[in-house]
Amino acid sequence: DTGVSQDPRHKITKRGQNVTFRCDPISEHNRLYWYRQTLGQGPEFLTYFQNEAQLEKSRLLSDRFSAERPKGSFSTLEIQRTEQGDSAMYLCASRKTAGGLYNEQFFGPGTRLTVL
Amino acid sequence: GQQLNQSPQSMFIQEGEDVSMNCTSSSIFNTWLWYKQDPGEGPVLLIALYKAGELTSNGRLTAQFGITRKDSFLNISASIPSDVGIYFCAGQGGASKIIFGSGTRLSIRP
Repeated sequence: DTGVSQDPRHKITKRGQNVTFRCDPISEHNRLYWYRQTLGQGPEFLTYFQNEAQLEKSRLLSDRFSAERPKGSFSTLEIQRTEQGDSAMYLCASRKTAGGLYNEQFFGPGTRLTVL
Repeated sequence: GQQLNQSPQSMFIQEGEDVSMNCTSSSIFNTWLWYKQDPGEGPVLLIALYKAGELTSNGRLTAQFGITRKDSFLNISASIPSDVGIYFCAGQGGASKIIFGSGTRLSIRP
């Protein structure tokens, strides 16, 4: 396994269009997280899943954002009616919950979204 | 909400020098984390701290979990060119999300 993968790596879209990003976590990891990172800032938590259940959503996740993890493996993050303020790097991370003092969240390379 | 104040925002140092950066929080965390992020990549965990007062090393990196559980520092000794990047402190209060600082950008003169 080569780690967390995200697709696409870059997305340029026009304002008002819908976009969907995909994250494939490390295979034995049951928790999957989405973060957003804007230029010059650290990542900000958006939401997380334990298996297929979405357990927490940030206030940053407006009604235009929806995330799914239908089979408890890969996840998608969709943004509807994109706005210029949605331009950011969208990071996915995964971790396992069993065993160990601290189970590290492993981050993917991110999807950089630019809304024109 | 929870906020982490990380300083300095950027550092420009000579190769071989030691580096120190720190992070303070308005809230208590159970776990402090230090990450490094290279351009075009996601953050990579460097050090995790679990107990107040804990001092942990990872090669040339040393980090401490403050006694009050509201602060942490990271030191890098004898910096080398590959240390260039953005360093983030982060805190984890529960089992889920991580709260990140705004980062320290490290640049090194060869």
